[in-house]
Amino acid sequence: SQTIHQWPATLVQPVGSPLSLECTVEGTSNPNLYWYRQAAGRGLQLLFYSVGIGQISSEVPQNLSASRPQDRQFILSSKKLLLSDSGFYLCAGTGLAGASSYNEQFFGPGTRLTVL
Amino acid sequence: AQKITQTQPGMFVQEKEAVTLDCTYDTSDPSYGLFWYKQPSSGEMIFLIYQGSYDQQNATEGRYSLNFQKARKSANLVISASQLGDSAMYFCAMREVGKGGATNKLIFGTGTLLAVQP
Repeated sequence: SQTIHQWPATLVQPVGSPLSLECTVEGTSNPNLYWYRQAAGRGLQLLFYSVGIGQISSEVPQNLSASRPQDRQFILSSKKLLLSDSGFYLCAGTGLAGASSYNEQFFGPGTRLTVL
Repeated sequence: AQKITQTQPGMFVQEKEAVTLDCTYDTSDPSYGLFWYKQPSSGEMIFLIYQGSYDQQNATEGRYSLNFQKARKSANLVISASQLGDSAMYFCAMREVGKGGATNKLIFGTGTLLAVQP
């Protein structure tokens, strides 16, 4: 069952505009949360992860930032988008309700971002 | 450094036949987990199967089984009785344990595109 929500599903933004992608989790407390980016035809690259409110770890230097203002909310942001920020952004979590084990990492439906 | 390698960019299989998707990994950590995910054209990532490094038996989930060969550092996915709906991208992933405890971060391979032919 789907316990991770992302919006919007698709987004087209001009270069230099700000970005805010939201991920929310339901039915569990204190999950680990993750933001991944997938370029067209490529694998997933981990951007950020969070083990709790206000705790953010960045995996790669980039134009993006993340925040976790609430236990079940994870936000990906940018002040000024670049063309290279285009891609498919996936939020994921572990320790979620419905998982067969804590190891299982559930993914949200993703946001497809196109920067023009 | 931990690494996942999927050497098959694409695979074809006839409907109802079995197919093996290859995955090799590299890690110096004695405790790790291996995952397979399916990504259809819609983009969602669907969890298929998990194998822990200390599990004695190969994991199975319905038509999916994981051929875990620890000494060879391989974790191949076997799909039996392929169906048209199995056509998708398949990713192998490994759980990485961060400093200071388990963070459950995953590193992914580049994926294998499976096409099931009628």
